[in-house]
Amino acid sequence: QQQVKQSPQSLIVQKGGISIINCAYENTAFDYFPWYQQFPGKGPALLIAIRPDVSEKKEGRFTISFNKSAKQFSLHIMDSQPGDSATYFCAALGTSNYQLIWGAGTKLIIKP
Amino acid sequence: EAQVTQNPRYLITVTGKKLTVTCSQNMNHEYMSWYRQDPGLGLRQIYYSMNVEVTDKGDVPEGYKVSRKEKRNFPLILESPSPNQTSLYFCASGSPGQAIYEQYFGPGTRLTVT
Repeated sequence: QQQVKQSPQSLIVQKGGISIINCAYENTAFDYFPWYQQFPGKGPALLIAIRPDVSEKKEGRFTISFNKSAKQFSLHIMDSQPGDSATYFCAALGTSNYQLIWGAGTKLIIKP
Repeated sequence: EAQVTQNPRYLITVTGKKLTVTCSQNMNHEYMSWYRQDPGLGLRQIYYSMNVEVTDKGDVPEGYKVSRKEKRNFPLILESPSPNQTSLYFCASGSPGQAIYEQYFGPGTRLTVT
């Protein structure tokens, strides 16, 4: 079964620091690599996504870095703020079946 | 307001008592899906639907049923719930094809089966 492995499971970062969450995948047949953000008591919401033909995508303080040869992608949150405290999920969209394969999630806590 | 709604938000039930969790979206999305979220396991897909009257099994379909008679509604049915179905359930919707990477999630239904 296709998998997306996400690490770390939890992460504590000081306010103003850089938060980094990593994901690795096993299959090459993926079209998109989205990241979702989930606040307590809410459903996940799309944060940012990247295609495999792009090495980096930035939206505000959030950046996805994509390494196709290593089959890895990561989310970087610059100048992390307490409001960024949430669970983050990476995912990969299968090319043939258009199904999202999800990582297990990372609980991020930003300390003031 | 564009949204996915789920009802009920919280449900406590007993083993074997049939229940239905409703899901409705007002974005005219063709694609709808059900997930369950458990600590350490992330989101696991239960069933999905590419369009009306078209449903398919996800990764963990055992013990669940779905139907898609209308575009906007996608109810999840547990005909004989068991304690291992205690979980947080999410309904999601989206546009078909590659656009499925962007899914809109409901607020979740927390189900406890005793």
